[in-house]
Amino acid sequence: SQQGEEDPQALSIQEGENATMNCSYKTSINNLQWYRQNSGRGLVHLILIRSNEREKHSGRLRVTLDTSKKSSSLLITASRAADTASYFCATDGTTDSWGKLQFGAGTQVVVTP
Amino acid sequence: NAGVTQTPKFQVLKTGQSMTLQCAQDMNHNSMYWYRQDPGMGLRLIYYSASEGTTDKGEVPNGYNVSRLNKREFSLRLESAAPSQTSVYFCASRQGDTQYFGPGTRLTVL
Repeated sequence: SQQGEEDPQALSIQEGENATMNCSYKTSINNLQWYRQNSGRGLVHLILIRSNEREKHSGRLRVTLDTSKKSSSLLITASRAADTASYFCATDGTTDSWGKLQFGAGTQVVVTP
Repeated sequence: NAGVTQTPKFQVLKTGQSMTLQCAQDMNHNSMYWYRQDPGMGLRLIYYSASEGTTDKGEVPNGYNVSRLNKREFSLRLESAAPSQTSVYFCASRQGDTQYFGPGTRLTVL
């Protein structure tokens, strides 16, 4: 079963615009991570937010976490054509399930010049 | 550093054939993972190895076996391939909380 559900499934924006995608999950987590996948490639780690954090920034990325709502959002500011990719949230559980990431189905982002 | 490498990149099998997918990492990580990715879905964990000499089942282990040959290498074997195993397979290794993924093997079972 998928732990994370992502919304929207697809997003089409123009260069310079911001892209926001959301992730909801079901069970307690140790941390939540976001990964990017370019077409035909492996996943690349973008950013991690721990369960005791509410917001984190990395370059043009901003991620928030609301553990009371079991949800997270990823914001990419000033998007570029190179940001075209699929973005996945992954939850890392507590104790026995630590390290066994559970992925959402992903948001496909297309950035047009 | 090559990171995580996988072979082969592509493979076509007939139902009932067997094959082994190879994965190696040169980052000296203890933990390694095998995932499958099906269209419209996220990755699902097949098997993992927390350290050399140990392996455990993940979410979808049926039809697969694994071997942690040494710290670098973690292979995935399909003993009798089925069309339902058509997928893209990713290997990953872990350092701290972050996983590093290989480029994937695209497998088609006819």
